[in-house]
Amino acid sequence: ETVMTQSPATLSVSPGEGATLSCRASQSVSSKLAWYLHKPGQAPRLLIYDASTRATGVPSRVSGSGSGTEFTLTISGLHSEDFAIFYCHQYNNWPYTFGQGTKLEIK
Amino acid sequence: EVQLVESGGGLVQPGGSLRLSCGASGFSFSNFWMTWVRQAPGKGLEWVANIKEDGSQKDYVDFVKGRFTISRDNAKNSLYLQMNSLRAEDTAVYYCVRGIGWFDPWGQGTLVTVSS
Repeated sequence: ETVMTQSPATLSVSPGEGATLSCRASQSVSSKLAWYLHKPGQAPRLLIYDASTRATGVPSRVSGSGSGTEFTLTISGLHSEDFAIFYCHQYNNWPYTFGQGTKLEIK
Repeated sequence: EVQLVESGGGLVQPGGSLRLSCGASGFSFSNFWMTWVRQAPGKGLEWVANIKEDGSQKDYVDFVKGRFTISRDNAKNSLYLQMNSLRAEDTAVYYCVRGIGWFDPWGQGTLVTVSS
């Protein structure tokens, strides 16, 4: 199966600053990659699909890039609601798989 | 508003069974693939099973094949997951999600605990 590796495991950033999260696939997933934000006790929320398309209602300060095996999620001007766990997810190779998550915490 | 609401979780002994339900509203349920995703305590997200719009195709992750059955009732806008021969490692929050590629939206999840 395609193993998705996210880095770093934890990222400490101050509100107002930017953050860059990485996701690497063990084999090409083309552009079939999504990013989700998950806060404990809440439903995960889709942020990005097809590697770079923002989901409905996602602000423009959130962006995704990459293709093949290397992907990046960039968030600028961090707000308090942005601090959560972020997961990448590939849906190109069966079985579809998730990364282990990056926790974005307040510095 | 597009919404998914899971129910049916709880405490069950190893080897036991449980049936999860997911009620959908705010969209044409019969037009979408549906999926179950789970998250074990302290672990990441894990795809479990999905089902085609008309129920004619179902796919399962290897570790639930032969034990779990996904189904749907489009007349009731509902998705189900019948879980048999439950193991301790099946303990997780189970999420109902819309889609087969990217998942949007997600339900709040229902907790399944397998323990004696």
